[in-house]
Amino acid sequence: EVQLVESGGGLVQPGGSLRLSCGASGFTFTNYWLSWVRQAPGKGLEWVASINQDGSEKSYVYSVKGRFTISRDNAKNSLSLQMNSLRAEDTAVYYCAREWYSNGRHFDYWGQGTLVTVSS
Amino acid sequence: SYELTQPPSVSVSPGQTASITCSGDKLGDKYASWYQQKPGQSPVVVIYQDNKRPSGIPERFSGSNSGNTATLTISGTQAMDEADYYCQAWDSIAVFGGGTKLTVL
Repeated sequence: EVQLVESGGGLVQPGGSLRLSCGASGFTFTNYWLSWVRQAPGKGLEWVASINQDGSEKSYVYSVKGRFTISRDNAKNSLSLQMNSLRAEDTAVYYCAREWYSNGRHFDYWGQGTLVTVSS
Repeated sequence: SYELTQPPSVSVSPGQTASITCSGDKLGDKYASWYQQKPGQSPVVVIYQDNKRPSGIPERFSGSNSGNTATLTISGTQAMDEADYYCQAWDSIAVFGGGTKLTVL
């Protein structure tokens, strides 16, 4: 069974930093692209960042470029999102999602999410 | 930047057909996916590559994509289908529509 379990969310002050983690199991981790997708309270889904199988390709939504860094540890089956210079508008539930990338691309499994609240 | 537009809400009577549209420039040239999200839960893909259903998704869910519009169709809508639905496509980055709240009443 595919499982994605996020952790690391919490309350942080504006300008602060937080590191999210996502532990994966039930599939061959090194075969898949992975992404972070967020959802602000009462709002829609917003893709944040993606990383390829060996970590050599990364992409970000414009609003987080230069502040967030996506990374993965294939030895530990773990995905991370380092978030710096956090703003109130970064407040959201952050989901880890596996990408199915073959003749098309979609998010086929999602974690349960971890809440990040940026507030003073 | 690329945008996908969905109606904020759609209402349907039980047993009837619900159609949710997603509009974007030349969307038919891309693959569209659809995600269902119920309150307090994570999203679940119900349609990918325009019209493919993942295992475990009921046959009443179908999709199409042509021109500038992708459509999610739910035939014989059930109360359990009440949820938010998001379309999604890739345009160098992943883009989601704003979501449509489906009410079954």
